[in-house]
Amino acid sequence: EAQVTQNPRYLITVTGKKLTVTCSQNMNHEYMSWYRQDPGLGLRQIYYSMNVEVTDKGDVPEGYKVSRKEKRNFPLILESPSPNQTSLYFCASSAQNEAFFGQGTRLTVV
Amino acid sequence: QKEVEQDPGPLSVPEGAIVSLNCTYSNSAFQYFMWYRQYSRKGPELLMYTYSSGNKEDGRFTAQVDKSSKYISLFIRDSQPSDSATYLCAMDNEYGNKLVFGAGTILRVKS
Repeated sequence: EAQVTQNPRYLITVTGKKLTVTCSQNMNHEYMSWYRQDPGLGLRQIYYSMNVEVTDKGDVPEGYKVSRKEKRNFPLILESPSPNQTSLYFCASSAQNEAFFGQGTRLTVV
Repeated sequence: QKEVEQDPGPLSVPEGAIVSLNCTYSNSAFQYFMWYRQYSRKGPELLMYTYSSGNKEDGRFTAQVDKSSKYISLFIRDSQPSDSATYLCAMDNEYGNKLVFGAGTILRVKS
């Protein structure tokens, strides 16, 4: 079954404590991306990756890092989380303009 | 001004109604137009996909693109309570590397 798997699904953390949200896909897609979803703002792209070791900023990259060492994995790193990064995060894997989304990670930074 | 504008709703209709969901956009470079459906606590899933202008029909769903007006629509016929979800329009350029989403419209179909 084609899947994008994110972990964890829910996370509450404190300001400044580094965290990583993992994302893995089993469709052999080259293109992967991270989005955050906030009420009234829809999905906004944080970072994307066209292939292994190729990453680029999306629309809201500040405060985030990514890496793409393997084709299937695309982790999202928050080095020093702040309350304004409280949001619902989605990883997506794409081919031919069709994006497959993970189940989402609800992050709360207190 | 946002690149893609979408009325957030909520839109509440009775079961069996025809639903019309719309988005407008400002970037003439968009070539691919999509509608995603997102149920509560789930990730979005692709519902309809259209390239350039025209109509596309799939069962009870019809997607329309009018590039001259920079306007896209999704019609749902014979709406069902199971159609209750958030519908997001999305658009991409010819290179397929810049998917831009609308804010999403919440649809509620009452039985």
